[in-house]
Amino acid sequence: EVQLVESGGGLVRPGRSLRLSCAASGFTFDDYAMHWVRQAPGKGLEWVSGISWNSGSIGYADSVKGRFTISRDNAKNSLYLQMNSLRAEDTALYYCAKDTGDYYDSNGYNDYWGQGTLVTVSS
Amino acid sequence: QSVLTQPPSASGTPGQRVSISCSGSSSNVGSNYVYWYQHLPGTAPKLLIYRNNQRPSGVPDRFSGSKSGTSASLAISGLRSEDEADYYCAAWDDSLSGRVFGGGTKLTVL
Repeated sequence: EVQLVESGGGLVRPGRSLRLSCAASGFTFDDYAMHWVRQAPGKGLEWVSGISWNSGSIGYADSVKGRFTISRDNAKNSLYLQMNSLRAEDTALYYCAKDTGDYYDSNGYNDYWGQGTLVTVSS
Repeated sequence: QSVLTQPPSASGTPGQRVSISCSGSSSNVGSNYVYWYQHLPGTAPKLLIYRNNQRPSGVPDRFSGSKSGTSASLAISGLRSEDEADYYCAAWDDSLSGRVFGGGTKLTVL
């Protein structure tokens, strides 16, 4: 059974940093691209970032480019999101999602998601 | 403002058929596959439809997807109370080089 468990969320002041983690199990982690998707309160889903199986291809939404960094450790079956210079508009539930392909591109899609970890940016 | 446009709400009575639309552009829906997710807030989104009209195993055939040009739609027939949820469409966007989602449609079963 595929399981994705996010952690690391919490309350943080604007301008500070936070690192999210996603522990994956139930599948061969290093065979697949992975993503972060978020949902702000009362809003829809927003793709944040994606990373290929070998970290060779990475992409970000314009809203987080230059502030967030996605990474993965295939030896630990883990996905990460380093979030710097946080803003109030980054407040959201952050989901980790598995891709069906090894590269994050038009050929794949997200088939499994975690339950999310809440990030609140407020002074 | 979401890249893909969905109606904010839809409703129907048990047994009815409802349809949810998803409108995009040539860089996303018009040139790539569309996917549909069912989401209950606070839970993991569930894949309902992949590659425009394919159902993963375990998804009832009451759910169906279609696409024409830059628009797509999700149809739910034989509506049930447990179908009450938020529904999102998604696609790859060639211009943005990333995944894009619709704003979501809240389905109410009256």
